[in-house]
Amino acid sequence: NAGVTQTPKFQVLKTGQSMTLQCAQDMNHNSMYWYRQDPGMGLRLIYYSASEGTTDKGEVPNGYNVSRLNKREFSLRLESAAPSQTSVYFCASSVQRGGGRRIRTDTQYFGPGTRLTVL
Amino acid sequence: AQSVTQLGSHVSVSEGALVLLRCNYSSSVPPYLFWYVQYPNQGLQLLLKYTSAATLVKGINGFEAEFKKSETSFHLTKPSAHMSDAAEYFCAVSDQGYSSASKIIFGSGTRLSIRP
Repeated sequence: NAGVTQTPKFQVLKTGQSMTLQCAQDMNHNSMYWYRQDPGMGLRLIYYSASEGTTDKGEVPNGYNVSRLNKREFSLRLESAAPSQTSVYFCASSVQRGGGRRIRTDTQYFGPGTRLTVL
Repeated sequence: AQSVTQLGSHVSVSEGALVLLRCNYSSSVPPYLFWYVQYPNQGLQLLLKYTSAATLVKGINGFEAEFKKSETSFHLTKPSAHMSDAAEYFCAVSDQGYSSASKIIFGSGTRLSIRP
């Protein structure tokens, strides 16, 4: 049981280059998330997918796109990388409990992170 | 709207001393509350969580937290700090709503340092 895996672990890009960060989970979770973590800024939500087939913007979506490929996989794409996107990126997954409008997100499980530098 | 406030971005205690990390939340309904720990160059891992059962929650590594509704607090404690406890700690809240609206909101984090 690998949990949440992310590739690559490290990446250096030049301004304007594109890349896709991959994330997969083997816990049969419905919901998946992409965060970025910057010094002094805590975790900021980029995009999330509450269930397969849906994606929604988080707090800082500009410059990113996502694809929920299937229940297991959720990728994050940078179309034209900028130095401001230098960060550590974390993928997470979780279940949601309840029904209707009484749904709560339970424990999120995080991947090990991707450290991205844009020059 | 839900929110989380962690008081103190950096806390330093002596080895063997009490650890107290403060967290206050804002939520319109009884929330799920979490404490996560992040060691250097690693992802976040769950320390403990509150999901409306016992108000005193015990977690891994000797940590515990008490849910106090009247104070809207969920402070994290450990009776005796160990050098290995040095890490970043995040408090988080999960509110209630429709599926697409239910997310976990994280506090800004508290870095815990342990003095020998």
